[in-house]
Amino acid sequence: NAGVTQTPKFQVLKTGQSMTLQCAQDMNHNSMYWYRQDPGMGLRLIYYSASEGTTDKGEVPNGYNVSRLNKREFSLRLESAAPSQTSVYFCASSPPIRGDSYEQYFGPGTRLTVT
Amino acid sequence: QKEVEQNSGPLSVPEGAIASLNCTYSDRVSQSFFWYRQYSGKSPELIMSIYSNGDKEDGRFTAQLNKASQYVSLLIRDSQPSDSATYLCAVNQVGSARQLTFGSGTQLTVLP
Repeated sequence: NAGVTQTPKFQVLKTGQSMTLQCAQDMNHNSMYWYRQDPGMGLRLIYYSASEGTTDKGEVPNGYNVSRLNKREFSLRLESAAPSQTSVYFCASSPPIRGDSYEQYFGPGTRLTVT
Repeated sequence: QKEVEQNSGPLSVPEGAIASLNCTYSDRVSQSFFWYRQYSGKSPELIMSIYSNGDKEDGRFTAQLNKASQYVSLLIRDSQPSDSATYLCAVNQVGSARQLTFGSGTQLTVLP
């Protein structure tokens, strides 16, 4: 049981290049999330998917697109990378809601640098 | 005003002491509260969750929730150098579906 996995671990892009960050979970979770983490800013939600086939914008969606390929996989695409997108990107997943429980479990992260 | 606020620290405590981490939130009807630990260069790891007023203990960790005062805290007893990390508070806000709002974290250093 690998939990939440992300690829790649590190990436360097030039301004204007595109790339897709991959995320997969094997915990049969319904909901999946993409965050970025910048120094002093905490975790900010980019997009999330409450269930297979649905996606919604979070706090900072501009410059990103997502695809919920199936229940396991949720990808994040940067169409034209900008230096402001230099960050650490985390994918997370969450099991079906039980009562008030909304806990999320995180992948190892992708460190992206845009030059 | 940030929705979830934490003192950024750094907070330093000697080994064996109690570390106290605090978090306040703005949405009075928030329902679920979580503490995550994040080591440098690693991903956040869920260590505690609390849903009702009072204390919840798990080993050396105690989470305390006071909804009337809108704060949640984490106590770490018998602090160890391995507890040195950034601790993130997260809150689920009513109407936000399955979203969590995170504080910016408190950096804790336990001195040997």
